[in-house]
Amino acid sequence: DAGVIQSPRHEVTEMGQEVTLRCKPISGHNSLFWYRQTMMRGLELLIYFNNNVPIDDSGMPEDRFSAKMPNASFSTLKIQPSEPRDSAVYFCASSPTPNGEDTQYFGPGTRLTVL
Amino acid sequence: RKEVEQDPGPFNVPEGATVAFNCTYSNSASQSFFWYRQDCRKEPKLLMSVYSSGNEDGRFTAQLNRASQYISLLIRDSKLSDSATYLCVVTNTGGFKTIFGAGTRLFVKA
Repeated sequence: DAGVIQSPRHEVTEMGQEVTLRCKPISGHNSLFWYRQTMMRGLELLIYFNNNVPIDDSGMPEDRFSAKMPNASFSTLKIQPSEPRDSAVYFCASSPTPNGEDTQYFGPGTRLTVL
Repeated sequence: RKEVEQDPGPFNVPEGATVAFNCTYSNSASQSFFWYRQDCRKEPKLLMSVYSSGNEDGRFTAQLNRASQYISLLIRDSKLSDSATYLCVVTNTGGFKTIFGAGTRLFVKA
């Protein structure tokens, strides 16, 4: 199994640009999670999908952030417009069961730098 | 007060030492508990789940105390390869929320 796949692995962009992060969960997993990790705030859950439906987006910091899951094998996290404080590592994770009750398998992350 | 709190460390221990980490959580309705390990510049990976009866996996032992709302991780006979950040994870099923602690850094020295 290829595991959770994220792209790009690294992204450097300028303030004001749109950034799209992509995730392919493990086949057969029902749940998908987007996290952000910074030194100051640690690992924060941004949004959680179950069977492609957003269940909890209370962690999305503001309207500049949006996430979609058009099908069971693909999700995107978009930041528009990006700001320097969005610089972080963004992880996608998937799980075979709802609600995060089971193991979450993380992708390698996208390291985002906004100049 | 944070929902999940850990001692950030770092813990600096010699090879062969026994080291223990604690983690407290504030929501008494929390349902599932885990320890994850994260190596530098890598993604978190599950180390072990934590059950009410406690569980052991080789040199690693995890305990849950629901009355006091804390979980612990004990590492015996530390190896250099155990150097990492250990993340305490709590899931609140009612709110479908997964909360990661800030992590405890461990350095095992030769």
